[in-house]
Amino acid sequence: DAGVIQSPRHEVTEMGQEVTLRCKPISGHNSLFWYRQTMMRGLELLIYFNNNVPIDDSGMPEDRFSAKMPNASFSTLKIQPSEPRDSAVYFCASAISAGQPQHFGDGTRLSIL
Amino acid sequence: RKEVEQDPGPFNVPEGATVAFNCTYSNSASQSFFWYRQDCRKEPKLLMSVYSSGNEDGRFTAQLNRASQYISLLIRDSKLSDSATYLCVVNPGRRGKLIFGQGTELSVKP
Repeated sequence: DAGVIQSPRHEVTEMGQEVTLRCKPISGHNSLFWYRQTMMRGLELLIYFNNNVPIDDSGMPEDRFSAKMPNASFSTLKIQPSEPRDSAVYFCASAISAGQPQHFGDGTRLSIL
Repeated sequence: RKEVEQDPGPFNVPEGATVAFNCTYSNSASQSFFWYRQDCRKEPKLLMSVYSSGNEDGRFTAQLNRASQYISLLIRDSKLSDSATYLCVVNPGRRGKLIFGQGTELSVKP
């Protein structure tokens, strides 16, 4: 069975550039989550969706971050403009329903120079 | 106070040792609990759910104490491959949001 699929696996770009991270959740999962992980702050929830609807975006750091889920099989997290402090590993996770165990993708390692 | 707190470690133990991790949570209305494992530079993976009656999966035993609001994970006969960071995870019942602890690092030595 295919798990959560994220792309790209690695991204290195210069500050000021737009960055788009992509996620395909596990088929049949109704909840999708975006996390960011750094050594300093650990795993932080940025935003999550239930049935393609954003439920809680209180973790989104600032207006430079935006996320969409146009359908049940695809979501994007966009950073525009990117800054060096955005460098982190970004994980996407999905769950069958809210509150159930989440399954994580391999993550995107983002480096902003 | 953090919603979920763990001892960050590291716990350095020899192979074959028994090691226990504790985790406390602040929201008494929390509904479900999990332990995840995260290897270096990898994604978190579900290790086991934690049930009120306690549950066991091979060498791993998870316990929940609702009165004291803590969760534990016991690893018996530890293996080198158990070296990882163990994340305590709580569902506080807020519309599907899971709260992850900072993790406890375990290093099993030969």
